[in-house]
Amino acid sequence: QVQLVQSGSELKKPGASVKVSCKASGYTFTGYAMSWVRQAPGQGLEWMGWINTNTGNPMYGQGFTGRFVFSLDTSVSTAYLQISSLKTEDTAVYFCGRYSSSSGAFDIWGQGTMVTVSS
Amino acid sequence: SYELTQPPSVSVSPGQTARITCSGDALPKKYAYWYQQKSGQAPVLVIYEDSKRPSGIPERFSGSSSGTMATLTISGAQVEDEADYYCYSTDSSATYRVFGGGTKLTVL
Repeated sequence: QVQLVQSGSELKKPGASVKVSCKASGYTFTGYAMSWVRQAPGQGLEWMGWINTNTGNPMYGQGFTGRFVFSLDTSVSTAYLQISSLKTEDTAVYFCGRYSSSSGAFDIWGQGTMVTVSS
Repeated sequence: SYELTQPPSVSVSPGQTARITCSGDALPKKYAYWYQQKSGQAPVLVIYEDSKRPSGIPERFSGSSSGTMATLTISGAQVEDEADYYCYSTDSSATYRVFGGGTKLTVL
């Protein structure tokens, strides 16, 4: 079935980097863009941006430029989110979501990856 | 930056109709989408393109949009509909996507 499976929880120290993966299955990976969404503890959803899985061209939302990098490995149908110079305020659950251009919706979501930044 | 505004909370009794609103300046020209998120789970799309319902979503969920306001309606709300609901749309240039702040629906 169509699904996105994300990597497991991470505990990192401030200043470190983290790379979250999102593996797609059950559909043609390059047929849909992949978006990333952040949810801080007890807070709402924030759109971080997306990556065109055909061209690899990323677009970053406001507040997510510089330390955030989206990338792909199409050979294994996987999208990645890398965050560098981690800050305590990066503590959040990060979701990947498949973007359907026909509906304009994020129609399939990963289960989320909890990233905790603490000294 | 573009913003979508939702009420923080809505409360209804089981069987009543719940209405959750979302206001945004670009909504007259841009579609609204609605996501349901239950505690500890990933969001689930319940309405797309203002009023369309994905397969598998109960008929009691409906959406509408008029002017700068979109509305998610749950007719005959059930206890299992208790969740946070988020609207989502784009700014007028379709460059940036944004979620509303979320509405906690209580059914009791």
